[in-house]
Amino acid sequence: DTGVSQDPRHKITKRGQNVTFRCDPISEHNRLYWYRQTLGQGPEFLTYFQNEAQLEKSRLLSDRFSAERPKGSFSTLEIQRTEQGDSAMYLCASSPLDSTYLQETQYFGPGTRLLVL
Amino acid sequence: AQSVTQLGSHVSVSEGALVLLRCNYSSSVPPYLFWYVQYPNQGLQLLLKYTTGATLVKGINGFEAEFKKSETSFHLTKPSAHMSDAAEYFCAVSDRSSASKIIFGSGTRLSIRP
Repeated sequence: DTGVSQDPRHKITKRGQNVTFRCDPISEHNRLYWYRQTLGQGPEFLTYFQNEAQLEKSRLLSDRFSAERPKGSFSTLEIQRTEQGDSAMYLCASSPLDSTYLQETQYFGPGTRLLVL
Repeated sequence: AQSVTQLGSHVSVSEGALVLLRCNYSSSVPPYLFWYVQYPNQGLQLLLKYTTGATLVKGINGFEAEFKKSETSFHLTKPSAHMSDAAEYFCAVSDRSSASKIIFGSGTRLSIRP
């Protein structure tokens, strides 16, 4: 078990370009989450999947953002027409489906740091 | 709506001294509570969590936290600070009825003086 991995670790792009990030969760984890963390703040929830179904989206996730988890394994987060305000660390987390507690521990990846120029 | 308030964006203690990081939450029902640690350029690592049962929760690296419902608090403590404890610490809360998002506080940066 190698933990949650994210790719790329860093991305610099120009305003208006599209970017895509990938997250590989811990194998057999049913749930996958995306968060955004800006400098000096805690992570903010964006969206989460249970298997391939996207079950919740934050109002922070504007129509320029789209996330997929087509086969219930890895996930991608795409940002279209990037803006300078999109500059942040994008964190992915995964958790197993636990029968005892509804909220199982979320394991976080190292994040993708995005800089929009 | 749930929320988390961490008192003090920066805490500095001497090596060997007590570490106390404060966290208060707002929730209409008893929530799940977490403390995460983030080292520079790394993801978040779970220190400890409270779900049910004993209100004093022990975590990794000698940290512990106590859930006090009457005070809506979940303060993090460690008896003796080590240089390696320098990091950003986040208190977080989630809704028992929803296995989705975790709401994080804004974080407390812990510095350790030699």
